[in-house]
Amino acid sequence: GQQLNQSPQSMFIQEGEDVSMNCTSSSIFNTWLWYKQDPGEGPVLLIALYKAGELTSNGRLTAQFGITRKDSFLNISASIPSDVGIYFCAGRPPYNTDKLIFGTGTRLQVFP
Amino acid sequence: NAGVTQTPKFRILKIGQSMTLQCTQDMNHNYMYWYRQDPGMGLKLIYYSVGAGITDKGEVPNGYNVSRSTTEDFPLRLELAAPSQTSVYFCASSLGGQGYQPQHFGDGTRLSIL
Repeated sequence: GQQLNQSPQSMFIQEGEDVSMNCTSSSIFNTWLWYKQDPGEGPVLLIALYKAGELTSNGRLTAQFGITRKDSFLNISASIPSDVGIYFCAGRPPYNTDKLIFGTGTRLQVFP
Repeated sequence: NAGVTQTPKFRILKIGQSMTLQCTQDMNHNYMYWYRQDPGMGLKLIYYSVGAGITDKGEVPNGYNVSRSTTEDFPLRLELAAPSQTSVYFCASSLGGQGYQPQHFGDGTRLSIL
């Protein structure tokens, strides 16, 4: 089935550093979402993007919906230990408004 | 605020056994979804429902069944458990309707089949 290419697969950074991750697809999406999953819990929505070119922030997090509608990126500024977790992108295809396609995740480790 | 509640949190099954994973939401959401998450992978959609009495297959429906008799509940049934069904299962819900409403997830059910 269709899947998003998410990179990097994992990141090991020091507290205070900035983080950037992205998702790409061979087909267009109408909506991009970014979720974070903590160990033993379900994904929690961080940011939702609804229009091509849209740039949205949520605290230290900033995400953009690519102009081509085939990609999105998430930036985290000044990382802190509680940023540790797995970050997933998800896209909503134009042919089916009810379903999401998920990326394979970026595992983030933050060292003090 | 309960949100999406899944039970049980953990379960071990023997091959060939059956079980039902429960999911309930108290947000009056129309849409509900079941996903599975295998190690190192993203979420794969098993089944979804856009309202009571309506269900549809997702990407990986084989070996599973669902029903949606009420707005609140969306149970997932495994009839003949197989080792390939060892996974973490997540239920999600969203408001649905016009435009797009993001999905909200439960904490998951960790299922091992031995």
